[in-house]
Amino acid sequence: GAVVSQHPSWVICKSGTSVKIECRSLDFQATTMFWYRQFPKQSLMLMATSNEGSKATYEQGVEKDKFLINHASLTLSTLTVTSAHPEDSSFYICSAAGTGGYEQYFGPGTRLTVT
Amino acid sequence: LAKTTQPISMDSYEGQEVNITCSHNNIATNDYITWYQQFPSQGPRFIIQGYKTKVTNEVASLFIPADRKSSTLSLPRVSLSDTAVYYCLVGRYSGDYKLSFGAGTTVTVRA
Repeated sequence: GAVVSQHPSWVICKSGTSVKIECRSLDFQATTMFWYRQFPKQSLMLMATSNEGSKATYEQGVEKDKFLINHASLTLSTLTVTSAHPEDSSFYICSAAGTGGYEQYFGPGTRLTVT
Repeated sequence: LAKTTQPISMDSYEGQEVNITCSHNNIATNDYITWYQQFPSQGPRFIIQGYKTKVTNEVASLFIPADRKSSTLSLPRVSLSDTAVYYCLVGRYSGDYKLSFGAGTTVTVRA
């Protein structure tokens, strides 16, 4: 399957600061990228879907001004958590798909801890 | 969007077959069913995907009855390394994506 990377794999930041997480598809063109959040022992919760060159579509209840998503190219999407607070601490996972593709290729995840 | 329901956990022993059933009573006509495996602190890994009847690959089989209101992931001859959380995902693409992950089934394989 296709390879998706995330950077960083883990990050610790202070409350009130912003953190950027990168998601890259290494060997295919990802028309669509997804961002998920996962709390301990819970399922993946879809936060937003982004198409290359377009604004992201956010799921209900996800603050778009807090979780900024940019999908500037077919291989890179970024998630910026602005003014992070301890309750934003979670495991953030991205995935990528080709145009209309049903198979998502997941990244390894980023562990965010806000102190 | 179809709500998915999976058992919370299942125990098995090495060499046995494990079958995990996901219920999705309100599945739509163009929804696909996908199963993923996830280890702690890792992203999910694709296992298998199907629309109807039976699909088999080198690691698993997926059984989907004619009414498509459920699907069963079958893992043949599990080993200790198959201990993980398994997620059922029902989703479709019709201009945009509609996705619904199940709560996950923790499979524990014992020696």
